[in-house]
Amino acid sequence: QVQLQESGPGLVKPSGTLSLTCGVSGGSISSSNWWSWVRQPPGKGLEWIGEIYHSGSTNYNPSLKSRVTISLDKSKNQFSLKLSSVTAADTAVYYCASRDTSGRVYWGQGTLVTVSS
Amino acid sequence: IQLTQSPSSLSASVGDRVTITCRASQGINSYLAWSQQKPGKAPKLLIYAASTLQSGVPSRFSGSGSGTDFTLTISSLQPEDFATYYCQQLNSYPLTFGGGTKVEIK
Repeated sequence: QVQLQESGPGLVKPSGTLSLTCGVSGGSISSSNWWSWVRQPPGKGLEWIGEIYHSGSTNYNPSLKSRVTISLDKSKNQFSLKLSSVTAADTAVYYCASRDTSGRVYWGQGTLVTVSS
Repeated sequence: IQLTQSPSSLSASVGDRVTITCRASQGINSYLAWSQQKPGKAPKLLIYAASTLQSGVPSRFSGSGSGTDFTLTISSLQPEDFATYYCQQLNSYPLTFGGGTKVEIK
């Protein structure tokens, strides 16, 4: 079973860029899975940010599309999220996730990112 | 695609049968997953493909439905089941989640 682990800064300044990485173990990032990012503001529900296929094809939430980039690093078996021009509204727990062709979804443990000066 | 979960919260007792519904604004075949989230923890997959129980998940959890109407049922609520439950559609972009159903102790 795939295991996922987020890493990155827990504090980002307003107008800066949020950068997170998700390490993949127990499976290859080159397998036929989609690799996703989801976030959850404090006390609120889940919001899908976007995902990347093993081929490199991406899909993003239209509400965030102008600020989001998701990429793969096959040499390190990991994928990454960049969210630019952040504001306090981007403060959230960020999860990486993966779904396979059967529809199973695997989740990382999540990492809190706070946007504050 | 909007997913509407109901109820948004419920109070139940240990041993109760609990049913949560998820309605999609358009058909999503059977591309629906149910996850459980406890405070401070990541979501945990319970059901995928609308009705397939994830390995290791107790059999008191079951899912049904296709098209636009889906149901998650807990046949006999246990103390460890008090949590928030989310549905997620995987049929079309952007992928979306329901608003969540919080199951509390009565």
